[in-house]
Amino acid sequence: DQQVKQNSPSLSVQEGRISILNCDYTNSMFDYFLWYKKYPAEGPTFLISISSIKDKNEDGRFTVFLNKSAKHLSLHIVPSQPGDSAVYFCAASGMDSNYQLIWGAGTKLIIKP
Amino acid sequence: EAGVVQSPRYKIIEKKQPVAFWCNPISGHNTLYWYRQNLGQGPELLIRYENEEAVDDSQLPKDRFSAERLKGVDSTLKIQPAELGDSAVYLCASSAQSLENSPLHFGNGTRLTVT
Repeated sequence: DQQVKQNSPSLSVQEGRISILNCDYTNSMFDYFLWYKKYPAEGPTFLISISSIKDKNEDGRFTVFLNKSAKHLSLHIVPSQPGDSAVYFCAASGMDSNYQLIWGAGTKLIIKP
Repeated sequence: EAGVVQSPRYKIIEKKQPVAFWCNPISGHNTLYWYRQNLGQGPELLIRYENEEAVDDSQLPKDRFSAERLKGVDSTLKIQPAELGDSAVYLCASSAQSLENSPLHFGNGTRLTVT
């Protein structure tokens, strides 16, 4: 039973345009959400997070939106740059998971020049 | 600040052989995690340490997997005997505090291939 789902295995975006990566979750007890970025042969690196008391968090070119009623979050990257090409993982935690991260399967983002 | 260091980077072994992975977390990080990541999937937690105590090992296949974190710093993860299905990337991560104050920092992982 996948509690965190990233339904798009891959996404291709033109350089300079907006990239939108989506993530859905099923557990209403999740209250903290994170996005990690992973390059090949490297470990995931933390990108941005959001608490359930907020609906938006912004850090430079990266913005995460949380829609609790829809159990959906999204990561917006604008403008997209070639170095953004990577696999992006969504992760969630809450009391039900003993505050351990439950991860999605990842979305591979390809930025086209 | 030095990152999480893992070794080896790659390991190829025959099934039924033992294998061990080593992790050195970021200095001062009390919490250490071992994850397994299969191709096309997110990381799955195997074990979490708070200092030298294993506080969550519910996902660790204890018949063949073992881990230790002596003195609450470095950690080793062992598989004996390895099976074909153990082929994966084994990731170590560390954090200083709760997730909201200190996100996980990952090492580059050990890619294990069991033949």
